[in-house]
Amino acid sequence: DTEVTQTPKHLVMGMTNKKSLKCEQHMGHRAMYWYKQKAKKPPELMFVYSYEKLSINESVPSRFSPECPNSSLLNLHLHALQPEDSALYLCASSQGGQVQETQYFGPGTRLLVL
Amino acid sequence: AQTVTQSQPEMSVQEAETVTLSCTYDTSESDYYLFWYKQPPSRQMILVIRQEAYKQQNATENRFSVNFQKAAKSFSLKISDSQLGDAAMYFCAYRSPWGAGSYQLTFGKGTKLSVIP
Repeated sequence: DTEVTQTPKHLVMGMTNKKSLKCEQHMGHRAMYWYKQKAKKPPELMFVYSYEKLSINESVPSRFSPECPNSSLLNLHLHALQPEDSALYLCASSQGGQVQETQYFGPGTRLLVL
Repeated sequence: AQTVTQSQPEMSVQEAETVTLSCTYDTSESDYYLFWYKQPPSRQMILVIRQEAYKQQNATENRFSVNFQKAAKSFSLKISDSQLGDAAMYFCAYRSPWGAGSYQLTFGKGTKLSVIP
């Protein structure tokens, strides 16, 4: 089973709203990722959690706040977003450890900021 | 830093025919991993095939195979007997084997494949 799930599938929010994206995997993976993807572009890495600790933050604005409550769950908290933050947000996971193996992606959350 | 280049922004293929998508990369590392991901209109990134650089043998997954030329830093994807469901954006990606770089996939810009019935 190589399934990564993400909720919600779609999200529309105003610039003053607070919302959260959720990602879950039950493959026993210990590394989880958030990517942002604009239309017709490849995904851009935002955050990496390894063994529930934030390992990489690719200079993402503080209006994006990641959280990893446990090894199966990854959240992305959104607050005071801008219209240019509208994009597809992809979650991924990999085995973790010294050799990261393959990243498996979820179906994504399509976010529209009005 | 590594770079990945996909020189074909768009390609098309007749159903049941064979098509090859090209990918070149630049790296100073001797060991690494290469991937092809497929992203259909549903938007989910799906792993198509993976190649470890230390393996001489080209990876194969059913109708999908790669031509890995390490010296030329080339990693092309061949799709045989193309099906309508193969229509998607295809991304080539590179990953370092160790350290912080092993978390990061370097993607090419993608090739949009259309399948003509």
